Parts: sequence; C-alpha cells; structure tokens
Amino acid sequence: GENVEQHPSTLSVQEGDSAVIKCTYSDSASNYFPWYKQELGKRPQLIIDIRSNVGEKKDQRIAVTLNKTAKHFSLHITETQPEDSAVYFCAASIRGGGNKLTFGTGTQLKVEL
Amino acid sequence: DGGITQSPKYLFRKEGQNVTLSCEQNLNHDAMYWYRQDPGQGLRLIYYSQIVNDFQKGDIAEGYSVSREKKESFPLTVTSAQKNPTAFYLCASSPDRESHEQYFGPGTRLTVT
Repeated sequence: GENVEQHPSTLSVQEGDSAVIKCTYSDSASNYFPWYKQELGKRPQLIIDIRSNVGEKKDQRIAVTLNKTAKHFSLHITETQPEDSAVYFCAASIRGGGNKLTFGTGTQLKVEL
Repeated sequence: DGGITQSPKYLFRKEGQNVTLSCEQNLNHDAMYWYRQDPGQGLRLIYYSQIVNDFQKGDIAEGYSVSREKKESFPLTVTSAQKNPTAFYLCASSPDRESHEQYFGPGTRLTVT
C-alpha cells in the first residue's frame, strides 16, 4: 500500500518568514495530494490540494509543488502569521483505490511573534 | 464541512463495553470514511463506504464495525475486541466515488478505562 512520509515533525518560524513542509510518497499510482490544517482539538481543514497533472498550485499565501519523478510534494506558506500556527498534514490518494487517503504524520508549525 | 456532524464530542466507556459513534451528513455525499487519530500520528483509515449498503475495510479495521443503511449516516462501533480504543475519531465524507476531496466532521474523543 501507499506510504507517506512527512518532514519536519516540528517547525518554528518568525512571523513574516516562510515555512516549507515536505512529503514523499511511495506509490507512483497516487494522483491526488491534499494538505490539511488542524488546530488543537479541531477537525482537519482542507487548505489546498494538487493533482498529478499539475506541478504547482497557489492560493494567496500558500502554494503546493509536486515532483512526480521524485515522488515528493511540498507545502509553502509565505508571510507567516500567528494564526498559521497549527498541525499540517499531507496525504496521498491512489487512483481507483476508493479514493482512500494515506496521511503523513503531521508537522507542528509554530509562528513566533 | 459544516454539514457533517459527529456526536457526542466526548465519550467515556468502561473496558469491555461496545460503543457506537455517530456520523451524519446532509451534503448528499456518496462516500463516507472513518479515521482514527492518535497523538503524534497521522490519521489512519478504519472503514470507508462509497455507496449505501456497501463498505470496505481500511488499514486498521480490526475491532471495529460499521453499517451504511442510509446515505446520510455511517455509524462506527468500537467493540471490546479493539485493544487500544482510546483515540480521537474523525468521520469524513466525499461527494462521489470520482471525487478525492474529503471533508471532516468535528470528531469524537473516546476514552476507555
């Protein structure tokens, strides 16, 4: 089955700096890669996703890049703000596999003032 | 994701008792999923259902059971056979079997002592 690894497990940045979280996946059949943000005790919220036919996608301060050859994808947050502090999860979904998501283990992002 | 509800928010049970967690959605979504979240780990798939009266095991189905008698409801039973049932349980739904996007409910935190 699919295996998703996520790094780093914790990330601390100064307000206004950029943050980058990286994930790798194992199954080349994966074709959908979402990113979720989870605040303490809350539900995961889908913040951005990318499909395998696209190399990069942006939405305001967040962007995701995908390298299919290397089987890795990354989340980029620019101009970080305190409200960006949360746990971020990457995931991958295999084509035709019931659209099941395999999640990474999460990155605790802390944006310091 | 506002159309997915889970109840109760907190649930306490004694070891050896079965317990059923509720998940309801009014989004007319075909697919529904159950995940378990433990501290420091990503979400792990327990069961999923792509259509009424049909469901499949996920990665960690042992000790759990589900039913999908109605499109809007996908209850999860944690049985006494589940060795480590204490966890945060999240339900998700997706529009149809062609969609990858999953939207989560608020979760139920189950504590078994």
